[in-house]
Amino acid sequence: DSGVTQTPKHLITATGQRVTLRCSPRSGDLSVYWYQQSLDQGLQFLIQYYNGEERAKGNILERFSAQQFPDLHSELNLSSLELGDSALYFCASSVSFAGGPLGSYNEQFFGPGTRLTVL
Amino acid sequence: GNSVTQMEGPVTLSEEAFLTINCTYTATGYPSLFWYVQYPGEGLQLLLKATKADDKGSNKGFEATYRKETTSFHLEKGSVQVSDSAVYFCALSLGGTSYGKLTFGQGTILTVHP
Repeated sequence: DSGVTQTPKHLITATGQRVTLRCSPRSGDLSVYWYQQSLDQGLQFLIQYYNGEERAKGNILERFSAQQFPDLHSELNLSSLELGDSALYFCASSVSFAGGPLGSYNEQFFGPGTRLTVL
Repeated sequence: GNSVTQMEGPVTLSEEAFLTINCTYTATGYPSLFWYVQYPGEGLQLLLKATKADDKGSNKGFEATYRKETTSFHLEKGSVQVSDSAVYFCALSLGGTSYGKLTFGQGTILTVHP
């Protein structure tokens, strides 16, 4: 158990709908990363937050957005869903970030993922 | 841009066989390198890491050496077990404006038969 929790574990919805995925980082971790794992694209970085602020953005679609709340949990919002959005969505947390206050390396701990199926 | 290339899978081995999974990378700057493992139905777990050239990461009998001259980080294990069956991902991380995000290879499925 990594200490990172994600809910829900599975989500089945229809095209055009909107869903929210939730992530609670390990206790004490300030940084949250979101990744998408699909058969087509593999594992891709979406977005990162550190202590409530967005720090890095990857290939995240405009239909997707995220935020990190004062209690450090994070939510990934996916809207106008398409069939191609079906994937496993992972959240990871770390104490800081590479190049941040703790130096050049920061281990990321991954949650179990949310499997999204768009029908 | 930064990228990671892993050997194509799947890889099928008999128990106690020697394992090598090749990984090469392209990066601007000096990345940290990682191998992650994903067991069926689970999230990713860090298997081993190396943060600078010539470092050797090791864990659970797996090893990988950070080779800057060949931009490689090949994963090896001398004697695999059935319980090693999983998907293995090579990844890199950079500081600066990358803020430590992980760039992954495509993953290699390993199946070990008794």
